[in-house]
Amino acid sequence: DAGVIQSPRHEVTEMGQEVTLRCKPISGHNSLFWYRQTMMRGLELLIYFNNNVPIDDSGMPEDRFSAKMPNASFSTLKIQPSEPRDSAVYFCASSGAGTYPEKLFFGSGTQLSVL
Amino acid sequence: AQSVTQPDIHITVSEGASLELRCNYSYGATPYLFWYVQSPGQGLQLLLKYFSGDTLVQGIKGFEAEFKRSQSSFNLRKPSVHWSDAAEYFCAVGTTGTASKLTFGTGTRLQVTL
Repeated sequence: DAGVIQSPRHEVTEMGQEVTLRCKPISGHNSLFWYRQTMMRGLELLIYFNNNVPIDDSGMPEDRFSAKMPNASFSTLKIQPSEPRDSAVYFCASSGAGTYPEKLFFGSGTQLSVL
Repeated sequence: AQSVTQPDIHITVSEGASLELRCNYSYGATPYLFWYVQSPGQGLQLLLKYFSGDTLVQGIKGFEAEFKRSQSSFNLRKPSVHWSDAAEYFCAVGTTGTASKLTFGTGTRLQVTL
């Protein structure tokens, strides 16, 4: 199994630009999570999906952030427009039916730098 | 709402020395507790978890953790640290049910000196 795959690994962009982060969960997993990691706030849950449906987006910081899961094998997190304070590592994670929170598998993350 | 506190931001130990990383949680019911490890440039990997039963749980890489309800703690221990254990360690508390949620602490960075 390839694990959770995130792209790109690194993204450098300028303030105001649109940023799209991508995630492919483990095949067969039906829950997908987006986390943001910063020095100040640690690891924060932004949003999670169950069976492609957003269940809890209370962690999404503001309207500039949006996430979609058009099918079971792909999800995107979009920031538009991006700001320097969005610089962080963004992780995607997935789990199988009935196994959360016991089994949660993380991708390697996307390091985002907004200049 | 549940919360997790890891009071030590950074710890340095010598290789071969023992290790204890502290974790305190706040949750109204019996929690699900986890320790994850994050190596540089990598995602988080599960070390061990506690759901119920024996309060001393064993994990991978020689780690163990003890759940102490009276102290609301779930400290991670290792008898003898190896240089490869240098990483960041996260404690997490999870709820269950239809609104299950995993909340992470801010992490403890472990440095191992040779």
